[in-house]
Amino acid sequence: EIVLTQSPGTLSLSPGDRATLSCRASQSVRSRYIAWYQQKPGQSPRLLIYAASSRATGIPDRFSGSGSGTDFTLNISRLEPEDFAVYYCQQYDNSPWTFGQGTKVEIK
Amino acid sequence: QVTLKESGPALVKPTQTLKLTCTLSGFSLSTSGMRVSWIRQPPGKALEWLARIDWDDDEFYSTSLQTRLTISKDTSKNQVVLTMTNMDPVDTATYYCVRFPGLAAAGDYWGQGTQVTVSS
Repeated sequence: EIVLTQSPGTLSLSPGDRATLSCRASQSVRSRYIAWYQQKPGQSPRLLIYAASSRATGIPDRFSGSGSGTDFTLNISRLEPEDFAVYYCQQYDNSPWTFGQGTKVEIK
Repeated sequence: QVTLKESGPALVKPTQTLKLTCTLSGFSLSTSGMRVSWIRQPPGKALEWLARIDWDDDEFYSTSLQTRLTISKDTSKNQVVLTMTNMDPVDTATYYCVRFPGLAAAGDYWGQGTQVTVSS
């Protein structure tokens, strides 16, 4: 089973800052099979990035994903007030599929 | 319009079996490459992937829960059903069903989730 470790657990930033979130896999994941989701309190998660670097429909271009092998990154270039949320990575390469434990981006 | 809607009991007792139904709209699980997963989230905790069923009837399960889970589909009703046996208070969570519309596709549509509490 592939274990995904996200860091940091919490990121305290201000609107306009750049956010860099990390997702490290316990074994290599084919890049086509890494996704990032955003979840706000009381809401279902929303797909942001699929195939490691492709933005889902309607996602602003301030969100970008990168990485390969075991190291993947989600960048938010300039934080907007609505971007403060919890972010999860997921691998859907090998079953069982797995999620990271999440990174909370909070207002500093 | 693609939607997924979860339904099932809000409260179950320990040792009981939970049955959750996901009703699909706007797409068919019989479409080649289509997959539906169940994912849960205990209060204040992370997402946990539970199970998946594919258009071709393949089934996949969480390693830690596979002995307790069964996923099935009724294409004629456009529904996916998850059963979980021997429920325990640690299974208290919001349960989501999610569409994965292709072999390399991520979860693009999520249901609103259904809250399940396990308590005597």
